[in-house]
Formats: sequence, C-alpha cells, structure tokens
Amino acid sequence: NAGVTQTPKFQVLKTGQSMTLQCAQDMNHNSMYWYRQDPGMGLRLIYYSASEGTTDKGEVPNGYNVSRLNKREFSLRLESAAPSQTSVYFCASSSQGTSKNIQYFGAGTRLSVL
Amino acid sequence: TQLLEQSPQFLSIQEGENLTVYCNSSSVFSSLQWYRQEPGEGPVLLVTVVTGGEVKKLKRLTFQFGDARKDSSLHITAAQPGDTGLYLCAANTGGFKTIFGAGTRLFVKA
Repeated sequence: NAGVTQTPKFQVLKTGQSMTLQCAQDMNHNSMYWYRQDPGMGLRLIYYSASEGTTDKGEVPNGYNVSRLNKREFSLRLESAAPSQTSVYFCASSSQGTSKNIQYFGAGTRLSVL
Repeated sequence: TQLLEQSPQFLSIQEGENLTVYCNSSSVFSSLQWYRQEPGEGPVLLVTVVTGGEVKKLKRLTFQFGDARKDSSLHITAAQPGDTGLYLCAANTGGFKTIFGAGTRLFVKA
C-alpha cells in the first residue's frame, strides 16, 4: 500500500541550482497537487493537476514549474532555487476535486536552499 | 483573501485531560476538514464536516461545524500520548483548491 510516494526525502541546494521533485501515486487518482509547508503558515498550494494533461497555478506558483507526466506522476521543478524556497514540499492526490474527495499526502521532501 | 485561523498555536497537556482547538474564518465554506500530521509525515484526513451545526465523533475526538459554516472545533476527551501531533483544519475554496490553517501543535505528556 504505497499510496503517494515522493523522492527525494531530503535535499540541500545552493542558490541558483535546479532540481526536480518527483511524486507518484498508485491509487488511480485523477487529481494531483503540490503544496509547501512553512512554519506558522500551514500548507499552501503551489500547482495542481485536475486530470492528466492539465495543470493550473495555485496560491504560490512563482519560481516553480510542474509536469503531469502521466496519470501516476506529477513532478515539481525549481529552475533556479532561492533561499525563500527552503520548505517542506508535499505532494497529494485525490480521485477528483478536493471539495468532497479525500486528499492523500506523501511523506514530504525537506528542501534547504543555501 | 480567505483565511483559516487556528487557536491555540501550541498546547501541552497531561494525559487524561480534555482539550478543544478552534478553527475560525470570516468566510463561509461548503465543507471543512480536519487533518492530523505527525513528525516526518504528511497530513492524514480525520474527518470532513459538511452541514452547519454538524457534529461528528471519531472515538475520543468530537468535531463540530459552526451553524454559519465559518468555524469549527475539535474536542479531545481524555487525551493520550498517541494524540500528539499537528492538527490542521482545511477548507475547499472552489474546485481543486484547498486552504489550510497554520495548525495547532498538541503535546500530550504521559
């Protein structure tokens, strides 16, 4: 019962470096999400993909890009990392939209940008 | 901007005590969710409340949705160390977007 799997679990980057956070779900869900969690601010939506082939901006999309590679996989890319992007990143999935459907979260990627 | 404000931010209690945490907003929501998050893990859904005034119970946890659907509370009876964690409330703002409160960090001492 893997659910939502995120890789890597930890990453340290230097300012200006790029990286891609990977997320895969095995629940045949249509919708996938990327959030960031910062102390005292709760989770904030970066991007979401309502269904395979579509992506849309969330609350804090600047500095990020996403790719819905297929129904299972949704990646988040930082093209030029900045210290302000130090955070814990969570991927989630749901069968459809979030209004009544349960979101399942991965264990997170802890990113530090120096 | 729609916000969810949670209080208290931090709570440390002895095993066996009761507690209530709150989630408040000036906005009306069609539903509200409570999650629990343990260190090093993602949030896990506890409950969704949909109807104003609705009360749901999950063992020793009681969730209530305000009559006006702007606020919610979580009451834990006889807290146990296993209840330790970060409790988050969340609300759908339309379609695929959800906002989260900053959370209440609960520590239950044995």
